[in-house]
Order: sequence, then C-alpha cells, then structure tokens
Amino acid sequence: GAGVSQSPSNKVTEKGKDVELRCDPISGHTALYWYRQSLGQGLEFLIYFQGNSAPDKSGLPSDRFSAERTGGSVSTLTIQRTQQEDSAVYLCASSSPRLQETQYFGPGTRLLVL
Amino acid sequence: KNEVEQSPQNLTAQEGEFITINCSYSVGISALHWLQQHPGGGIVSLFMLSSGKKKHGRLIATINIQEKHSSLHITASHPRDSAVYICAVSASYNTDKLIFGTGTRLQVFP
Repeated sequence: GAGVSQSPSNKVTEKGKDVELRCDPISGHTALYWYRQSLGQGLEFLIYFQGNSAPDKSGLPSDRFSAERTGGSVSTLTIQRTQQEDSAVYLCASSSPRLQETQYFGPGTRLLVL
Repeated sequence: KNEVEQSPQNLTAQEGEFITINCSYSVGISALHWLQQHPGGGIVSLFMLSSGKKKHGRLIATINIQEKHSSLHITASHPRDSAVYICAVSASYNTDKLIFGTGTRLQVFP
C-alpha cells in the first residue's frame, strides 16, 4: 500500500510569509509525528498526534508553529511569519496504534526561506 | 551534553568490511531505534529494540540496557550501505517523541 506522503516536496518562500506543509499518513495509522532536520543538524521532534488525544506540542520551537490533524488522518503544519532559520527539511512519520510501534517516514518537505 | 550520542560521526570502509556504529544514551528509555537516511533524504526504520539483539539480513543491532549502549553492525558491507545511520530513543519520561543522535555518515567504497 501507499506510504506516508508529504506535499509540497520543495517550498521556497520569502521571509515573513506563512507556509503550510501537508502530511498524509499511512491509512489506519493513528499516531502522526512531525520532525525537523536543519542543515547539518540532527532530527528534532516538533509535535505528536495520537488518535483523538490532545497533541504533544512540546517540540514546537515558537508560537509561529502550529499543527492540526483533521479527521484523524491528514495533518497540516503551519509556520507563520517565516524566518530564515526555519529553513529545513520537515519530515512526517506515522505509526500504528500500538505503543512504540515502528515509525514510517515520509519523503519530507524541503523549505527554504529567503 | 546530548542525551543521545553516536560514534563515529563519519566512517569510511572498503566493500566487504565489518562495520560497527555505536550509540550511547543518558536517559531511561522504553525503546531504541536505528534509522537509515539515504542521500536523497528518505528515512527508513531499521530496528526497534528494547533488549537483546535483532538481526535482519546483514544488519545486526544490539542493546545493553544496564550500560545504556547500543551498537549497529553491518556485515560484508556494500557500497549501497552508504547512508547516514541515526540512533533514536523513546525516553521513559516522554514516550511520545524520539530523541535523536546526530547520525553517523557511512561511505563504503568498492
């Protein structure tokens, strides 16, 4: 079946603009994660959704970042008033309902803020 | 100090060599993951383990919970194994998220 998909694959924007990044998880996966990988840096957790529970937002770097997950499936990560330091690859992953199940990663969205 | 440390940061090998990548962590964990990231950026989960040893093809992952240490071994390495290998843990204090090491960049030459 289809894996995790993300769109767009690449996004170039101007500083100060808002951007929306989309993630389609694997069907049936109730857990969804957003991560960020900045150039030369390791992966960084941003936010976690599990079913209908309140999301774990502990990794969001500032209040310019927000995410939602509608209908327990597709998720959108929004970055408002983008800054150059937001340039990174944003990765989404999903996993099935069991605790600590293997995470399946999407191909990522490469964001460049000019 | 990072909660998850990997060594070495960079590793080169000749085809056929046995490779070991190490991961140490400083927090209590519920699970440890080994991930592979190819030059194109895609990430694949290789192993998830909480004790003992797992084997998949030429890859072997071990973990020592008491020593807070894990190793990833690649036997009979091949150029297609060239990638970044990332260790990540699910910390006991917050199992929702993964804490990542900075990765080990492996290049295997023919």
